[in-house]
Amino acid sequence: DAGVTQSPTHLIKTRGQHVTLRCSPISGHKSVSWYQQVLGQGPQFIFQYYEKEERGRGNFPDRFSARQFPNYSSELNVNALLLGDSALYLCASSLRTGEAGANVLTFGAGSRLTVL
Amino acid sequence: SQQGEEDPQALSIQEGENATMNCSYKTSINNLQWYRQNSGRGLVHLILIRSNEREKHSGRLRVTLDTSKKSSSLLITASRAADTASYFCATVDSTLTFGKGTMLLVSP
Repeated sequence: DAGVTQSPTHLIKTRGQHVTLRCSPISGHKSVSWYQQVLGQGPQFIFQYYEKEERGRGNFPDRFSARQFPNYSSELNVNALLLGDSALYLCASSLRTGEAGANVLTFGAGSRLTVL
Repeated sequence: SQQGEEDPQALSIQEGENATMNCSYKTSINNLQWYRQNSGRGLVHLILIRSNEREKHSGRLRVTLDTSKKSSSLLITASRAADTASYFCATVDSTLTFGKGTMLLVSP
């Protein structure tokens, strides 16, 4: 069974451009979370979706948006890219969300974004 | 913002030695989890300890949790070169909040 898959694995953009990152969760997992990891730091929570509804949002500007599709895959969109958006973007899936002890995440390998 | 904070930031040991990493957090939690990350790849879940548990074992891993001190520790016994990675604690309320991690280097 495939794990969490993310695409693209690497991409380079210039300031002001837009980027779309994609994630396919493990089969049967209905919750998808997005994290940003800047070099040398821990992952920072961006969004969580469950059953196609946003269930949580981290402290990120409105340039960041996401959605979840009926097949539970997800997209993360970032508009008006800044140099500081350069990071590894991690997608993680889980069976469900919000329940104590239930939120064990399975991560994809990430999409490394470089903004020039 | 980071909820947990790991200590030390970096740890270098020889194969066969034990490695201990600590995590402190600020708010009440439902459970605490430890994850491992190999050189900028995705994170892998290692172990979960619930707020009503004090100690948990999984193979060579031992995790403790002290909710009164808002701290946890991860002990890796008889370390191997393959244990070289970054280790993160993550506190859980409705979502996971990660610390900055401890970078562990195990030399042969």
